[in-house]
Amino acid sequence: NAGVTQTPKFQVLKTGQSMTLQCAQDMNHNSMYWYRQDPGMGLRLIYYSASEGTTDKGEVPNGYNVSRLNKREFSLRLESAAPSQTSVYFCASSRGRGNEQFFGPGTRLTVL
Amino acid sequence: GQQLNQSPQSMFIQEGEDVSMNCTSSSIFNTWLWYKQDPGEGPVLLIALYKAGELTSNGRLTAQFGITRKDSFLNISASIPSDVGIYFCAGLTQGGSEKLVFGKGMKLTVNP
Repeated sequence: NAGVTQTPKFQVLKTGQSMTLQCAQDMNHNSMYWYRQDPGMGLRLIYYSASEGTTDKGEVPNGYNVSRLNKREFSLRLESAAPSQTSVYFCASSRGRGNEQFFGPGTRLTVL
Repeated sequence: GQQLNQSPQSMFIQEGEDVSMNCTSSSIFNTWLWYKQDPGEGPVLLIALYKAGELTSNGRLTAQFGITRKDSFLNISASIPSDVGIYFCAGLTQGGSEKLVFGKGMKLTVNP
């Protein structure tokens, strides 16, 4: 099992550009999550999907959209990137919302 | 909102020494999780604790779920250079609005 995979690993964008971060899990988990990690801020939840077909806002959703494409895949979209979105983005999944989460390797995004 | 206070924020130890870290909260959690993050990687789950008072070991790691359900500690015995990294605690609430709350992390440096 690969666990949670994320693409791309690194990305540089110019302000105003759009892009989609991809995440997939092969653990048959119901719930999936997107976090951002910034120095001194820890991990902050952007959006989550408790189950296939549902998505909800987390702590810092502004500037992002998500799509739960199917049970395996959960993508994060930046429609118009801003320098404040420079961060490391982690996708995670869990069997259910009340279960421990498993993380992907991260996407390091720089917005110039 | 719910917060976890993780201490210390960083530690510098010699190889072979033991190290302890803890997390406290004003809120009650039903599950405590400890993660380790290596540079450039995603957090990896080390230990999960599900019951108040539970003491769990994983190799040289030992963690306990506090009796009050508001705290947890992690011990690493006989540290080795590959223990270097950032250790995060996380508390999971349950009951209809499950949410994983993270501590800010403790950066461990092990001098050979």
